[in-house]
Amino acid sequence: DAKTTQPPSMDCAEGRAANLPCNHSTISGNEYVYWYRQIHSQGPQYIIHGLKNNETNEMASLIITEDRKSSTLILPHATLRDTAVYYCIVRVGAGNNRKLIWGLGTSLAVNP
Amino acid sequence: EAQVTQNPRYLITVTGKKLTVTCSQNMNHEYMSWYRQDPGLGLRQIYYSMNVEVTDKGDVPEGYKVSRKEKRNFPLILESPSPNQTSLYFCASSSKPGTAYEQYFGPGTRLTVT
Repeated sequence: DAKTTQPPSMDCAEGRAANLPCNHSTISGNEYVYWYRQIHSQGPQYIIHGLKNNETNEMASLIITEDRKSSTLILPHATLRDTAVYYCIVRVGAGNNRKLIWGLGTSLAVNP
Repeated sequence: EAQVTQNPRYLITVTGKKLTVTCSQNMNHEYMSWYRQDPGLGLRQIYYSMNVEVTDKGDVPEGYKVSRKEKRNFPLILESPSPNQTSLYFCASSSKPGTAYEQYFGPGTRLTVT
Protein backbone atom coordinates (compact mmCIF):
# COMPACT_ATOMS: atom_id res chain seq x y z
CA ASP A 1 0.00 0.00 0.00
CA ALA A 2 1.99 2.95 -1.29
CA LYS A 3 1.93 5.97 0.99
CA THR A 4 3.87 8.19 -1.36
CA THR A 5 3.42 8.45 -5.09
CA GLN A 6 6.12 9.75 -7.38
CA PRO A 7 6.48 9.59 -11.16
CA PRO A 8 8.91 6.80 -12.00
CA SER A 9 11.08 8.95 -14.24
CA MET A 10 11.65 12.50 -15.40
CA ASP A 11 14.01 14.32 -17.72
CA CYS A 12 15.49 17.75 -17.33
CA ALA A 13 17.85 19.86 -19.41
CA GLU A 14 21.08 20.90 -17.78
CA GLY A 15 20.82 24.38 -16.28
CA ARG A 16 17.05 24.25 -16.05
CA ALA A 17 14.98 23.80 -12.93
CA ALA A 18 13.92 20.26 -12.09
CA ASN A 19 10.57 20.00 -10.33
CA LEU A 20 9.94 16.62 -8.74
CA PRO A 21 6.42 16.01 -7.40
CA CYS A 22 5.30 13.70 -4.61
CA ASN A 23 1.81 12.85 -3.39
CA HIS A 24 1.46 11.93 0.28
CA SER A 25 -2.24 12.25 0.95
CA THR A 26 -2.17 10.14 4.15
CA ILE A 27 0.49 12.13 5.95
CA SER A 28 -0.39 13.06 9.50
CA GLY A 29 -0.66 16.67 10.53
CA ASN A 30 2.54 16.78 12.53
CA GLU A 31 4.76 14.61 10.37
CA TYR A 32 7.51 15.89 8.15
CA VAL A 33 8.21 15.22 4.51
CA TYR A 34 11.79 14.24 3.75
CA TRP A 35 13.65 14.05 0.48
CA TYR A 36 16.71 11.98 -0.27
CA ARG A 37 18.51 11.08 -3.45
CA GLN A 38 20.55 8.07 -4.50
CA ILE A 39 23.20 8.22 -7.19
CA HIS A 40 23.65 4.86 -8.94
CA SER A 41 23.63 2.31 -6.10
CA GLN A 42 25.42 4.50 -3.57
CA GLY A 43 23.95 5.18 -0.16
CA PRO A 44 21.05 7.65 -0.19
CA GLN A 45 21.88 11.26 0.59
CA TYR A 46 19.69 13.60 2.62
CA ILE A 47 18.48 16.67 0.73
CA ILE A 48 15.84 18.56 2.68
CA HIS A 49 12.77 18.20 4.85
CA GLY A 50 9.73 20.28 5.76
CA LEU A 51 6.49 20.35 7.70
CA LYS A 52 4.22 22.94 6.15
CA ASN A 53 6.28 25.94 5.23
CA ASN A 54 8.43 26.10 2.15
CA GLU A 55 12.05 25.31 2.82
CA THR A 56 15.28 26.11 1.00
CA ASN A 57 18.86 25.06 1.49
CA GLU A 58 22.00 24.98 -0.61
CA MET A 59 20.83 21.90 -2.46
CA ALA A 60 17.16 22.45 -3.17
CA SER A 61 13.83 24.02 -2.33
CA LEU A 62 10.80 22.22 -0.99
CA ILE A 63 7.28 23.42 -1.66
CA ILE A 64 4.52 21.81 0.39
CA THR A 65 0.89 22.43 -0.52
CA GLU A 66 -1.36 24.04 2.04
CA ASP A 67 -3.32 20.82 2.58
CA ARG A 68 0.03 18.98 2.92
CA LYS A 69 -1.10 16.23 0.60
CA SER A 70 1.67 16.83 -1.88
CA SER A 71 5.05 18.47 -2.21
CA THR A 72 7.53 19.42 -4.90
CA LEU A 73 11.29 19.29 -4.70
CA ILE A 74 12.94 21.91 -6.84
CA LEU A 75 16.52 21.77 -8.05
CA PRO A 76 16.86 25.32 -9.37
CA HIS A 77 19.71 24.77 -11.83
CA ALA A 78 20.10 21.07 -12.49
CA THR A 79 23.54 19.75 -13.41
CA LEU A 80 24.60 16.39 -14.80
CA ARG A 81 25.65 15.39 -11.28
CA ASP A 82 22.03 15.72 -10.17
CA THR A 83 21.15 12.63 -12.20
CA ALA A 84 19.87 10.27 -9.51
CA VAL A 85 16.81 8.62 -8.01
CA TYR A 86 14.95 11.04 -5.75
CA TYR A 87 12.91 9.69 -2.85
CA CYS A 88 10.08 11.36 -1.04
CA ILE A 89 9.68 9.91 2.46
CA VAL A 90 6.96 10.27 5.05
CA ARG A 91 6.25 8.72 8.40
CA VAL A 92 2.84 7.11 8.71
CA GLY A 93 0.89 5.32 11.37
CA ALA A 94 0.57 6.08 15.06
CA GLY A 95 2.31 5.05 18.25
CA ASN A 96 4.26 1.82 17.93
CA ASN A 97 2.91 1.34 14.41
CA ARG A 98 4.61 4.44 13.10
CA LYS A 99 7.08 3.76 10.36
CA LEU A 100 8.95 5.53 7.63
CA ILE A 101 7.80 4.87 4.11
CA TRP A 102 10.33 5.12 1.32
CA GLY A 103 8.62 5.26 -2.04
CA LEU A 104 10.14 3.89 -5.22
CA GLY A 105 11.42 7.29 -6.15
CA THR A 106 11.74 9.29 -9.34
CA SER A 107 14.67 8.59 -11.60
CA LEU A 108 15.80 12.01 -12.78
CA ALA A 109 17.94 12.20 -15.89
CA VAL A 110 19.65 15.54 -16.44
CA ASN A 111 20.58 15.84 -20.08
CA PRO A 112 23.31 18.06 -21.57
CA GLU B 1 35.42 13.15 7.81
CA ALA B 2 31.96 12.14 9.00
CA GLN B 3 31.14 8.77 7.56
CA VAL B 4 29.45 5.41 7.85
CA THR B 5 31.54 2.46 6.74
CA GLN B 6 30.37 -1.01 5.83
CA ASN B 7 32.31 -4.18 5.20
CA PRO B 8 32.43 -6.09 3.03
CA ARG B 9 31.18 -4.11 0.05
CA TYR B 10 30.52 -7.22 -1.99
CA LEU B 11 29.90 -10.74 -0.78
CA ILE B 12 28.94 -13.95 -2.51
CA THR B 13 28.10 -16.82 -0.22
CA VAL B 14 26.20 -20.08 -0.10
CA THR B 15 22.95 -20.95 1.59
CA GLY B 16 23.32 -21.59 5.29
CA LYS B 17 26.80 -20.18 5.82
CA LYS B 18 26.65 -17.65 8.63
CA LEU B 19 27.91 -14.18 7.80
CA THR B 20 28.26 -10.78 9.41
CA VAL B 21 28.20 -7.39 7.72
CA THR B 22 29.87 -4.75 9.83
CA CYS B 23 28.79 -1.13 10.13
CA SER B 24 30.63 1.64 11.90
CA GLN B 25 30.01 5.39 12.25
CA ASN B 26 32.30 8.11 13.58
CA MET B 27 29.70 10.78 14.35
CA ASN B 28 28.73 9.64 17.84
CA HIS B 29 25.19 9.06 16.60
CA GLU B 30 22.80 7.25 18.89
CA TYR B 31 20.47 6.01 16.17
CA MET B 32 21.55 3.37 13.67
CA SER B 33 19.60 1.17 11.31
CA TRP B 34 19.87 -1.41 8.58
CA TYR B 35 17.97 -1.36 5.30
CA ARG B 36 17.73 -3.65 2.35
CA GLN B 37 16.99 -2.43 -1.14
CA ASP B 38 15.39 -4.62 -3.78
CA PRO B 39 14.15 -3.71 -7.26
CA GLY B 40 10.51 -2.67 -7.23
CA LEU B 41 10.32 -2.66 -3.44
CA GLY B 42 12.34 0.35 -2.43
CA LEU B 43 14.24 0.71 0.80
CA ARG B 44 12.92 -1.37 3.69
CA GLN B 45 14.12 -1.21 7.25
CA ILE B 46 15.39 -4.45 8.78
CA TYR B 47 16.40 -3.45 12.31
CA TYR B 48 17.19 -0.27 14.13
CA SER B 49 18.88 0.75 17.34
CA MET B 50 18.08 3.81 19.42
CA ASN B 51 21.21 3.45 21.54
CA VAL B 52 23.68 0.96 22.97
CA GLU B 53 21.97 -2.32 23.89
CA VAL B 54 18.63 -1.04 22.51
CA THR B 55 17.52 -2.65 19.27
CA ASP B 56 14.16 -3.24 17.65
CA LYS B 57 12.66 -4.83 14.58
CA GLY B 58 11.93 -2.89 11.46
CA ASP B 59 9.67 -3.94 8.64
CA VAL B 60 11.52 -7.04 7.43
CA PRO B 61 13.50 -8.53 10.37
CA GLU B 62 13.02 -12.23 9.58
CA GLY B 63 16.31 -14.03 9.05
CA TYR B 64 18.45 -11.26 10.51
CA LYS B 65 20.01 -10.44 13.86
CA VAL B 66 21.77 -7.34 15.10
CA SER B 67 23.68 -6.23 18.15
CA ARG B 68 24.70 -2.85 19.54
CA LYS B 69 27.42 -3.33 22.13
CA GLU B 70 29.18 -0.08 21.29
CA LYS B 71 27.76 3.20 20.07
CA ARG B 72 29.78 3.26 16.88
CA ASN B 73 29.16 -0.32 15.67
CA PHE B 74 25.99 -2.03 14.52
CA PRO B 75 26.69 -5.37 12.81
CA LEU B 76 24.09 -7.24 10.80
CA ILE B 77 24.16 -11.00 11.23
CA LEU B 78 22.67 -13.59 8.92
CA GLU B 79 22.76 -16.85 10.83
CA SER B 80 21.62 -19.03 7.93
CA PRO B 81 21.45 -16.98 4.73
CA SER B 82 18.99 -17.95 2.04
CA PRO B 83 18.74 -16.86 -1.62
CA ASN B 84 15.85 -14.50 -0.82
CA GLN B 85 18.30 -12.45 1.23
CA THR B 86 20.22 -11.59 -1.90
CA SER B 87 19.99 -7.82 -1.85
CA LEU B 88 21.76 -4.49 -1.49
CA TYR B 89 22.15 -3.60 2.17
CA PHE B 90 22.65 -0.17 3.68
CA CYS B 91 23.55 0.87 7.18
CA ALA B 92 22.56 4.35 8.33
CA SER B 93 23.05 6.53 11.37
CA SER B 94 21.40 9.66 12.63
CA SER B 95 21.50 11.98 15.62
CA LYS B 96 17.71 12.18 15.59
CA PRO B 97 16.01 8.82 16.10
CA GLY B 98 12.67 7.78 14.71
CA THR B 99 12.64 10.17 11.80
CA ALA B 100 14.26 10.40 8.39
CA TYR B 101 16.07 13.55 9.42
CA GLU B 102 19.56 13.67 8.00
CA GLN B 103 20.39 10.00 8.09
CA TYR B 104 23.91 9.23 6.93
CA PHE B 105 24.14 6.11 4.82
CA GLY B 106 27.02 3.77 4.27
CA PRO B 107 28.18 2.85 0.76
CA GLY B 108 26.20 -0.37 0.69
CA THR B 109 26.94 -4.10 0.73
CA ARG B 110 25.85 -6.16 -2.23
CA LEU B 111 25.12 -9.67 -1.00
CA THR B 112 24.48 -12.67 -3.22
CA VAL B 113 23.37 -15.95 -1.65
CA THR B 114 23.50 -18.96 -3.94
